[in-house]
Amino acid sequence: DTGVSQNPRHKITKRGQNVTFRCDPISEHNRLYWYRQTLGQGPEFLTYFQNEAQLEKSRLLSDRFSAERPKGSFSTLEIQRTEQGDSAMYLCASSLERAVETQYFGPGTRLLVL
Amino acid sequence: AQSVTQLGSHVSVSEGALVLLRCNYSSSVPPYLFWYVQYPNQGLQLLLKYTSAATLVKGINGFEAEFKKSETSFHLTKPSAHMSDAAEYFCAKAKAAGNKLTFGGGTRVLVKP
Repeated sequence: DTGVSQNPRHKITKRGQNVTFRCDPISEHNRLYWYRQTLGQGPEFLTYFQNEAQLEKSRLLSDRFSAERPKGSFSTLEIQRTEQGDSAMYLCASSLERAVETQYFGPGTRLLVL
Repeated sequence: AQSVTQLGSHVSVSEGALVLLRCNYSSSVPPYLFWYVQYPNQGLQLLLKYTSAATLVKGINGFEAEFKKSETSFHLTKPSAHMSDAAEYFCAKAKAAGNKLTFGGGTRVLVKP
């Protein structure tokens, strides 16, 4: 399978705990994006990387959120001190660098904070 | 202000009938526009995209969309609905640079036999 993969697919945690999600992009894609999708809404942009550089962060990404892409390949999204409002689907996408290349999405990680 | 607006959060069509999903955008420059489909518990799959070439764009699964600058619209159509078209559909726009997507709220399509 050469698509975007995300792990875990589901995560249930208690409020206040830290969680980390992983995204493995399509191998030759140097852009990687994170989006958050709450129930009944469209995805909202969180952040994106070009290679290992984080080029843009949404104001939705509070101080409790941090994303990394240390070697320009896979990426991790960590949420510290989770809150019930963090419950959502976290989607990862990747693309080539060329102007407005198609973004290919992974299956998402569904987070439930109790 | 909403940058991408999808009129109708739910649409119900009969199998074999026309599917019409509406999308309007706001942008100071002509944007790049996309339609994605999301099946339950899955990620988003690209149906089609407009990148300033032909205004009528054909996509996968028999879908097409027409870019109308004067109406700031990019409505999605399919002549004949199949049961397999039941899903949620998202319209999105992107700037020429940066490429982050701004999505509409989505339209859930129900296909009746």
